[in-house]
Formats: sequence, C-alpha cells, structure tokens
Amino acid sequence: NAGVTQTPKFRVLKTGQSMTLLCAQDMNHEYMYWYRQDPGMGLRLIHYSVGEGTTAKGEVPDGYNVSRLKKQNFLLGLESAAPSQTSVYFCASRDSRSSYNEQFFGPGTRLTVL
Amino acid sequence: DQQVKQNSPSLSVQEGRISILNCDYTNSMFDYFLWYKKYPAEGPTFLISISSIKDKNEDGRFTVFLNKSAKHLSLHIVPSQPGDSAVYFCAASTDTSGTYKYIFGTGTRLKVLA
Repeated sequence: NAGVTQTPKFRVLKTGQSMTLLCAQDMNHEYMYWYRQDPGMGLRLIHYSVGEGTTAKGEVPDGYNVSRLKKQNFLLGLESAAPSQTSVYFCASRDSRSSYNEQFFGPGTRLTVL
Repeated sequence: DQQVKQNSPSLSVQEGRISILNCDYTNSMFDYFLWYKKYPAEGPTFLISISSIKDKNEDGRFTVFLNKSAKHLSLHIVPSQPGDSAVYFCAASTDTSGTYKYIFGTGTRLKVLA
C-alpha cells in the first residue's frame, strides 16, 4: 500500500494563477481531509469529505474548492492564488471503522504564491 | 482564539530520560484527543489517542494523560531516544457526527540529545 499520496510535492505560482492539488489514498477510507500548515500555527482544516460525492467546509475554506468524484481521490483547487495561500498543504484520510479515529497523512505539498 | 495550545515551542531532553510534552485546551466539549509526531518534509504520523472517558492510555514507551478538570493533556516518552526528535502535535475533537474534525495545537519540537 502506498497510503496517502499527494501531487505535486512543490509548486510555485504567481498571484492570480490557478492550480489543483491531488490527494489519493489506496486504503478505501471514507473520510478525507485537506489541511494547511503555516509557521507558528497548527494544522488548520480547509475542507473535508465524508464520502464519495460529498464535501464540507472546515475552519479556513475561503479561496479553496474541493471535489471528491472518486472515493480514492480528493482534489483541492485554488481558483485565483494569493500570497496568503503560501503554505504547506496536507491531505489525510480516515477509516470510519478505526477504533483509534486517527487520520493518515500524506507527505505534503509546499506551495509558494509570488 | 486558539482552542488547543502547546505553550512550549521546543524541548530538549537527554537520551534515556523522560520527555513530557504538554497541551492545554479551552473547549470543555472536546471528547477525543490524539498525539501526532512529525519529521521534517513528512506528514504527521499518529502516535496515541485517548478518549475523555479515560485519564490514561499507554502504548509502549508512550503514555498520554488526560486531566479533564484542568483541561490538560500530556504525552510522556520513557525512555527518550534520539529517533524521537521531531515535532509533536496534540489534536482534539468534539465530534458527535463521526467526522472527527480535529483542532491541532501549534506543536512542540522535541530534541533528544545523545
């Protein structure tokens, strides 16, 4: 199992450009999450999904959109990137049957918006 | 307002000694807590969890203590090893719907000195 993978690992954008971050998991997990991590702050939830075809807003959803067309994939889109979106983005997934309720994280995508 | 706080940004401990990482929270509705470990350029990995119905949970060298009246959580690592050097995050959830949306602390960087 590859676990949770994220594409790309690094990206530099100019203000106003758009991009999509891809998260894929091969563990058949129902729940998927997108977080951002900024210096001096913990991970903050952007959007999450409780199953294929469903998405919901987290703490900091503004400026982002998501889609979960397939159970194994969770896409995070930036329609018009801003310097404030410079961050490290982590995707996670969770098995609803887990007794520990833990989330499995991908390696992250480092995004810089100039 | 930061609902989950890790007031010590860093901690240094000698190899073989005990490491104690602390976490405070403000929301009395939090009922599930996790600790994650994060190495540079990697995603967080799950360490240990505790439900609010318990006050202690142990897994090998790792023990988590929960003091609900003080709204305080701590992670004990005994004995500490150089490979434990990482950033540790605590996370809390008030979840009642099964989505387990976690609020993360800002992290404590642990350095275990050989």
